[in-house]
Amino acid sequence: DADVTQTPRNRITKTGKRIMLECSQTKGHDRMYWYRQDPGLGLRLIYYSFDVKDINKGEISDGYSVSRQAQAKFSLSLESAIPNQTALYFCATSDPGRGGYTFGSGTRLTVV
Amino acid sequence: GESVGLHLPTLSVQEGDNSIINCAYSNSASDYFIWYKQESGKGPQFIIDIRSNMDKRQGQRVTVLLNKTVKHLSLQIAATQPGDSAVYFCAERVTGIAGGTSYGKLTFGQGTILTVHP
Repeated sequence: DADVTQTPRNRITKTGKRIMLECSQTKGHDRMYWYRQDPGLGLRLIYYSFDVKDINKGEISDGYSVSRQAQAKFSLSLESAIPNQTALYFCATSDPGRGGYTFGSGTRLTVV
Repeated sequence: GESVGLHLPTLSVQEGDNSIINCAYSNSASDYFIWYKQESGKGPQFIIDIRSNMDKRQGQRVTVLLNKTVKHLSLQIAATQPGDSAVYFCAERVTGIAGGTSYGKLTFGQGTILTVHP
């Protein structure tokens, strides 16, 4: 099984719909992140959480919300999806003792 | 090297050649750097890292060089293989202090597309 699992892998949704992207990890890490990747651009941080009681906005949090249900689970919601939220979304975890992140395989979201 | 905009830098090499991918990082306070490889349809994968108190680190077929004077990072891949074809991007960590706890988040560059021709 993958260390970081994202569901769904692909999703097409209509403008105005609410959608949730799920992430679960078996690394035992406290720190979890949601990133967005657009063609030609790097990874941009949406939200991050350093433990189950900690939620922080990243550089592009508008239009998104998150929930840290447990150490292993961190979900990203789009309350009312819009077409410019079409992108590849990645969840990641990290161990504070080491700086590197472990990424999931991504969710490709298309908003029509 | 890295650039801002919709078109990623590209590097094309022949199989067996050595590849050098460059990255200019932005923050002189960054204390940790990582290179990631992202293949099509997959999440980024860790390749190699280096701390700011080092200027060179070697892995299997890869070497990372850090020049703090000019804020430059490079990834060297020896004997490049077709399986090395991917997008490569660097990441820097800026350690911040909040609430008495040291936090460190990674900031990613835009990436370089490496294509290896057989």
